[in-house]
Amino acid sequence: QQQVKQSPQSLIVQKGGISIINCAYENTAFDYFPWYQQFPGKGPALLIAIRPDVSEKKEGRFTISFNKSAKQFSLHIMDSQPGDSATYFCAASMGSGYSTLTFGKGTMLLVSP
Amino acid sequence: NAGVTQTPKFRVLKTGQSMTLLCAQDMNHEYMYWYRQDPGMGLRLIHYSVGEGTTAKGEVPDGYNVSRLKKQNFLLGLESAAPSQTSVYFCASSTPGTARGYYGYTFGSGTRLTVV
Repeated sequence: QQQVKQSPQSLIVQKGGISIINCAYENTAFDYFPWYQQFPGKGPALLIAIRPDVSEKKEGRFTISFNKSAKQFSLHIMDSQPGDSATYFCAASMGSGYSTLTFGKGTMLLVSP
Repeated sequence: NAGVTQTPKFRVLKTGQSMTLLCAQDMNHEYMYWYRQDPGMGLRLIHYSVGEGTTAKGEVPDGYNVSRLKKQNFLLGLESAAPSQTSVYFCASSTPGTARGYYGYTFGSGTRLTVV
């Protein structure tokens, strides 16, 4: 049973546009929602994360929007650049104490020049 | 550079052969993990460890064994490799989360394994 569903599988955005990737979760015990960015040939790297006590978190051009009632969260990349082309994974866990991360299946983003 | 180091980076095995993937971290992290990444499947947890001498099964543990004899090292073993184990394997480490603090996994650069 997939606990974190991610969409779309792939996304093509023009330079300067907004990239939006969506995730939905099932386990209401999740309280930590990170996004990871992975470039070809590299391991994933933490990009930005949010806890459900806030509805939005922004770091530079990257914003997480969180909807607790709908059990959904999304990543918005403003002013998308070719250097943002990568695979993005959403994830979820019970953030305090110990809990493993459950990852979505990933979204391959291509930003065209 | 501090981080997570995986060896080897590439390997080709014949069906039935065995091998060990090594993961080493120098950040004094308590927790370590092994994931596999397959096209369209995302990252799936194989095994993990919450401390030296302890291991636990993840989502897809069958066909793999692990050991954590030293805090900085986490070994992933394939006793009898199968073509279904062709994948990219990632090791990661982390510190314990807190009620108010974020924590992230630090991943290695991966081992690409092909079983023929």
